[in-house]
Amino acid sequence: ETGVTQTPRHLVMGMTNKKSLKCEQHLGHNAMYWYKQSAKKPLELMFVYNFKEQTENNSVPSRFSPECPNSSHLFLHLHTLQPEDSALYLCASSQEPAPAVAKNIQYFGAGTRLSVL
Amino acid sequence: AQKVTQAQTEISVVEKEDVTLDCVYETRDTTYYLFWYKQPPSGELVFLIRRNSFDEQNEISGRYSWNFQKSTSSFNFTITASQVVDSAVYFCALVNSGGYQKVTFGIGTKLQVIP
Repeated sequence: ETGVTQTPRHLVMGMTNKKSLKCEQHLGHNAMYWYKQSAKKPLELMFVYNFKEQTENNSVPSRFSPECPNSSHLFLHLHTLQPEDSALYLCASSQEPAPAVAKNIQYFGAGTRLSVL
Repeated sequence: AQKVTQAQTEISVVEKEDVTLDCVYETRDTTYYLFWYKQPPSGELVFLIRRNSFDEQNEISGRYSWNFQKSTSSFNFTITASQVVDSAVYFCALVNSGGYQKVTFGIGTKLQVIP
């Protein structure tokens, strides 16, 4: 157990559906991240939240919409996705706040395996 | 631009063999951090080590050891006397230390340890 819980573990959705991924961390950390892991590609950092504020958005399409209501919870709202969005979506958290966010040790959840039909 | 290359996409070894996972990186920054993470079949990445660019000392932790060489921009990871539980995907990552924090992961090396 890493202290980061992601739900659901698996999700199948059509291109017109709207769904949300949830991440919760029980570590008291200040920063949370969303990553996309596609087959045969490096992990891609999508979003970074620091003390509930979004500090990075790495050119992610608007069909992915993050939400961070508090330092312990992070959501990724999905709508009108494409088949190429099928991937493992990983959430992570780390202790230290900005500006030195990315060099921190990150604790990852087990991910949500998303399939877009 | 930052880049991390893990040239070995898959490696198979027999249990008790030693295995080295290669990581070569590119960056223009003089201050940066290197990481190794392990991703077992359960999915979550588990932190193994962090090294900053000013610390070239090699490190040993049990059966794991890391060889950091700035001259060749490499940060290789060796598992001694491999075990089945070492089977996983291993990721090398590079983080710069500038105002804009950028994290770059390698593609990962899938290690299979055969009993």
